[in-house]
Amino acid sequence: NAGVTQTPKFQVLKTGQSMTLQCAQDMNHNSMYWYRQDPGMGLRLIYYSASEGTTDKGEVPNGYNVSRLNKREFSLRLESAAPSQTSVYFCASRYVRSEQFFGPGTRLTVL
Amino acid sequence: TQLLEQSPQFLSIQEGENLTVYCNSSSVFSSLQWYRQEPGEGPVLLVTVVTGGEVKKLKRLTFQFGDARKDSSLHITAAQPGDTGLYLCAGEKSNTGKLIFGQGTTLQVKP
Repeated sequence: NAGVTQTPKFQVLKTGQSMTLQCAQDMNHNSMYWYRQDPGMGLRLIYYSASEGTTDKGEVPNGYNVSRLNKREFSLRLESAAPSQTSVYFCASRYVRSEQFFGPGTRLTVL
Repeated sequence: TQLLEQSPQFLSIQEGENLTVYCNSSSVFSSLQWYRQEPGEGPVLLVTVVTGGEVKKLKRLTFQFGDARKDSSLHITAAQPGDTGLYLCAGEKSNTGKLIFGQGTTLQVKP
């Protein structure tokens, strides 16, 4: 039982490049979330998926897209990376009205 | 706009001292969660408080939810070096699963 896994762990991009951050959970959770964490800002919700087949915007969705591929997987895509997207990205999942379980994070640097 | 104000942001104390971290908002939350995060890892849930005025204890940690469900506090008694880490509060609105995080409190406990 791996919990929430994220790939890659580290990534360096040049401005304008695109990439997809992958997230998978094996806990049969309905809801999945993408956050970014910046110094002094806590975690901010980018997008979430309340259930398979649905996605919705969070606090800071601009510059990102998501896909809920199936119940297990929720990916985050940066179409044209910008230096302001340098951050640590966390994926989380939860069952109905329970705690959120977080992955180990992806550290992204955009040059 | 930070909807959940957490203070202090940094705290450096000696082993054995007591401390309190505060989390304040003008919004009402259906629940308030406290997480602890170690470097290089995702946040891990410590406790969830749901009822106004609720107090929960976890060994030397005491968590309180304000009567109006707008604020919360974390009190640590006799801090130990193992308590060192980043503490995050997060409020959930209307059981949506969408969390609003405070800025975090970096705690350092020196032996």
